[in-house]
Amino acid sequence: ETGVTQTPRHLVMGMTNKKSLKCEQHLGHNAMYWYKQSAKKPLELMFVYSLEERVENNSVPSRFSPECPNSSHLFLHLHTLQPEDSALYLCASSPQRIGTGANEQFFGPGTRLTVL
Amino acid sequence: KNQVEQSPQSLIILEGKNCTLQCNYTVSPFSNLRWYKQDTGRGPVSLTIMTFSENTKSNGRYTATLDADTKQSSLHITASQLSDSASYICVVPGGRGGFKTIFGAGTRLFVKA
Repeated sequence: ETGVTQTPRHLVMGMTNKKSLKCEQHLGHNAMYWYKQSAKKPLELMFVYSLEERVENNSVPSRFSPECPNSSHLFLHLHTLQPEDSALYLCASSPQRIGTGANEQFFGPGTRLTVL
Repeated sequence: KNQVEQSPQSLIILEGKNCTLQCNYTVSPFSNLRWYKQDTGRGPVSLTIMTFSENTKSNGRYTATLDADTKQSSLHITASQLSDSASYICVVPGGRGGFKTIFGAGTRLFVKA
């Protein structure tokens, strides 16, 4: 679990607040991901960065804004969220190489977000 | 449409018993399928990967099977332990470059003493 770390682990925010989630990977991987996990639903891919370039944006509302300053760090900036955005937000990394599909994703412990 | 469906949604078994979890997928083209275990309050951790040519693979008390013809996979847990209580998620890569991954909703397993 120490390969991918996320902070904070828990976050409660109001709909008018601005907050950021942070993810750091210590595995030397090239790709990083943000997922949303709601109760009893499959993980929903939000964003993918490969070598610091965004390669996937899965129709995520603009109130979620990702940032990848380098291959080890990934942020998710939050503003004017809605109560339905309450969920577990998971960060993952993989040694992704273009053309291969067998690369394992390593997940962080997640940030449990509650929007009031 | 690329989909991964798992059954049952949840399962309760007694410690020491065996169980089998199912995964059906419609992802195409198919390259591999992974089973992840997610403990409460933690991120998923990979248990095993099944490639197109593999039928059975074991990882300790976990045995995964794959039938590429019927597009089904199963995860069999032998002699369950309390620590096996978790969600088990079936995952199949989809899309170009393998960045887009299709996740099943998971099976929530409860092992009781």
